[in-house]
Amino acid sequence: GESVGLHLPTLSVQEGDNSIINCAYSNSASDYFIWYKQESGKGPQFIIDIRSNMDKRQGQRVTVLLNKTVKHLSLQIAATQPGDSAVYFCAENIMTNEKLTFGTGTRLTIIP
Amino acid sequence: NAGVMQNPRHLVRRRGQEARLRCSPMKGHSHVYWYRQLPEEGLKFMVYLQKENIIDESGMPKERFSAEFPKEGPSILRIQQVVRGDSAAYFCASSPSETSTDTQYFGPGTRLTVL
Repeated sequence: GESVGLHLPTLSVQEGDNSIINCAYSNSASDYFIWYKQESGKGPQFIIDIRSNMDKRQGQRVTVLLNKTVKHLSLQIAATQPGDSAVYFCAENIMTNEKLTFGTGTRLTIIP
Repeated sequence: NAGVMQNPRHLVRRRGQEARLRCSPMKGHSHVYWYRQLPEEGLKFMVYLQKENIIDESGMPKERFSAEFPKEGPSILRIQQVVRGDSAAYFCASSPSETSTDTQYFGPGTRLTVL
């Protein structure tokens, strides 16, 4: 079921350390996954995406891992910086359906 | 290279009034999506439109809410007779084509407050 009105999961990481944010998705038919970053008062910002025929994809300082067996997605951020502090959402999409389904989100705080 | 634009950024309405939210997609994008976000929650899909067509409105409340994306001009999300429960952030996203794996790029959102 959905969590309504609950506080977001939080993760605090020391500046310069690596962080891992996890997401469990619900629909085994989903075949496209995206990570978004949302700063306070702003819209979601695209970070990285991955299709279901891949299990890993790397960007600049970010890596997304996909485990379809257990329906798990993770976002790794290397050498975190204060500007990485934000709420991170995973989103999933099914090929025949255009709408994105968002996860609950994780609030990442980088400690200077 | 302007991104998705939304206005107004903040909108205050009294119960019973109408709210009109506007979204201009990125240049070259013909697909628009509207999402709603309550505090401390993820975004929830409302409606997907292409020019002059509503493709999927499965997330739209059946009453008081409507959306359009005319041939010319921005997409409009319209909420009639607003109630306090309509208070939320409304985000618009656009993508260039109907390919499902095209990334959706989001605007800054409109924060609606109903008094």
